[in-house]
Amino acid sequence: QQQVKQSPQSLIVQKGGISIINCAYENTAFDYFPWYQQFPGKGPALLIAIRPDVSEKKEGRFTISFNKSAKQFSLHIMDSQPGDSATYFCAASMNSGYSTLTFGKGTMLLVSP
Amino acid sequence: DGGITQSPKYLFRKEGQNVTLSCEQNLNHDAMYWYRQDPGQGLRLIYYSQIVNDFQKGDIAEGYSVSREKKESFPLTVTSAQKNPTAFYLCASTWGTGGSNQPQHFGDGTRLSIL
Repeated sequence: QQQVKQSPQSLIVQKGGISIINCAYENTAFDYFPWYQQFPGKGPALLIAIRPDVSEKKEGRFTISFNKSAKQFSLHIMDSQPGDSATYFCAASMNSGYSTLTFGKGTMLLVSP
Repeated sequence: DGGITQSPKYLFRKEGQNVTLSCEQNLNHDAMYWYRQDPGQGLRLIYYSQIVNDFQKGDIAEGYSVSREKKESFPLTVTSAQKNPTAFYLCASTWGTGGSNQPQHFGDGTRLSIL
């Protein structure tokens, strides 16, 4: 059972545009939602993360929007640049005891020059 | 610089052969993880370890084995029982032994292929 559904699978955005990637989760016990960025041949790296006590978190051009009632969260990349071209993964975990991250299947983003 | 080192970067396995992937970290992290990445499948957890001499199965542990004899090292063995081992394998670590809300730091992976 996939607990974190990510869409779209791939995305092409023009330079300067806004990239939007969406994730939905099922487990209401999840309370930590990170996004990871992965370049080809490299391991993922933490980009930004949010907890459900806030509806939005912004770091530079990257913003997470969180909708607890809808069990959805999204990553917005403003002023997208060719260097942002990578695969993005959303993830979720619980803060009870020890739990592991559940990842979405990833979105391959291509920012055209 | 602190980080996670995975070796080798590329590995080839013959039919019926066991192979071991290395993962070493100098971040002084307590917890370590192994993931398998297939195209379009995201990251799937194979095994994880919170402390030395202890580890737990993840979602897809069949055909794999691990050991955690040292805090810094968490090698993964892909056994001959794993019928579809071709994938990109990622090792990660996290500070702390309890609570999951810590960033996972990843190595740059090992790509395993079947000859």
